[in-house]
Amino acid sequence: GNSVTQMEGPVTLSEEAFLTINCTYTATGYPSLFWYVQYPGEGLQLLLKATKADDKGSNKGFEATYRKETTSFHLEKGSVQVSDSAVYFCALKVTQGGSEKLVFGKGTKLTVNP
Amino acid sequence: NAGVTQTPKFQVLKTGQSMTLQCAQDMNHEYMSWYRQDPGMGLRLIHYSVGAGITDQGEVPNGYNVSRSTTEDFPLRLLSAAPSQTSVYFCASSRRGEETQYFGPGTRLLVL
Repeated sequence: GNSVTQMEGPVTLSEEAFLTINCTYTATGYPSLFWYVQYPGEGLQLLLKATKADDKGSNKGFEATYRKETTSFHLEKGSVQVSDSAVYFCALKVTQGGSEKLVFGKGTKLTVNP
Repeated sequence: NAGVTQTPKFQVLKTGQSMTLQCAQDMNHEYMSWYRQDPGMGLRLIHYSVGAGITDQGEVPNGYNVSRSTTEDFPLRLLSAAPSQTSVYFCASSRRGEETQYFGPGTRLLVL
């Protein structure tokens, strides 16, 4: 089946620290991969995406590379800010029977302290 | 564009009561979905729709009904609420062939 496994949180970092949130997936076929972010009290927003192997998605200083050989899509940022405090969800999209579905990981809560 | 809107923002129900969570989008998206978010569980798909008049079950459909009479609206109905349905509910929409799903702000539901 299709599933996403991401590192459990919570993750607490100091401002300007390096961030890695691991994400691995299991899927039939070649899914598109996403990172969504949920700020406190809000819905999810797309952070970045990659649609094929070796693609690198990037946005707001965050990056993730689609690694087909390791079935991974780890999220990284070189220097986090307090405003990056949020819950981060890794997800994959599969197309089955003409419909498209997103499968989410359980989320990783990040807290960045000044 | 307002994007994806959800009402109400917060609701308290007693066990056995019924209610409808509203979701609307003004982007003319074909796909619409309902998710529930529970601590430590991520988001789980309840029901989805690929267009007006077409709906299908997701991962956790029991206890919920949906209909899609228009492209814009995708209400989620709880016929007889149970405490296990206490959760945050998110509606999302997307355009066929595009990668991004757009999420509403969520409805927080408490069933006593």
